[in-house]
Amino acid sequence: GQNIDQPTEMTATEGAIVQINCTYQTSGFNGLFWYQQHAGEAPTFLSYNVLDGLEEKGRFSSFLSRSKGYSYLLLKELQMKDSASYLCAVYQGGKLIFGQGTELSVKP
Amino acid sequence: DVKVTQSSRYLVKRTGEKVFLECVQDMDHENMFWYRQDPGLGLRLIYFSYDVKMKEKGDIPEGYSVSREKKERFSLILESASTNQTSMYLCASSSGIPPLGYTFGSGTRLTVV
Repeated sequence: GQNIDQPTEMTATEGAIVQINCTYQTSGFNGLFWYQQHAGEAPTFLSYNVLDGLEEKGRFSSFLSRSKGYSYLLLKELQMKDSASYLCAVYQGGKLIFGQGTELSVKP
Repeated sequence: DVKVTQSSRYLVKRTGEKVFLECVQDMDHENMFWYRQDPGLGLRLIYFSYDVKMKEKGDIPEGYSVSREKKERFSLILESASTNQTSMYLCASSSGIPPLGYTFGSGTRLTVV
C-alpha cells in the first residue's frame, strides 16, 4: 500500500529553525517533493529530492534518505509569512502521492 | 509561467445535480490531474490523464468521471452530486519531467447542499 506520514501541526517562533519530517512507504519511488500552501491558495513548489542527501535553497533545505523512507524540510530564520501548510509528496510513475500536510504556525 | 485556470472559485450545488468542474492549462503539458483536498486527509488523486482522450483512475474515482477532448482542457464531472463530495478540488498539470513537478490551479471550493 501507499503510506506517507507527516505531523499534523507544528508551532515555532519567528527567527528560529524548524524541521518537518516525512516518512513514506510506497510501492514505487521516483523522487520526493515538498510544496508550500498558504490558506486558500494553490500549493507552490519548494523542493525536489531524488538522490540521498541535502538540497539547500536559501532559507529552505530538504533531505532525503531512500533506505530509511525518510525526508525532512528544514526552514531557517523563520518569518511570519512562513505560516502555511507544508506538503510532502512522493513522485511515482508520473503521479504525486501526498501526505496529509503539516500546518506550521510561526509565532512572534 | 505556466497558468492553470479553474473556471470557478466557489460553487454551491444541490444533491443529485450533475456538476462540471473545468480546468485549462496554457503550457502544452501532456499530463493533467484532479485532486480533492480535505482537512486531515491531504490531497487525494481522483483521476489523471497523460494524453488527449486518455484517462486513468486515481485513488478515489467513485462518483466522478473526467473528459479530456483537448490537450489543454481537463474536466471533472460529478454525475450526481452528494454531500460527501463537498470539498476543495484542485487541478494540476505537468510536463512529466522533474523537478518541475506540478503546477496547480487555485482550486474550486464546492459545497453540495
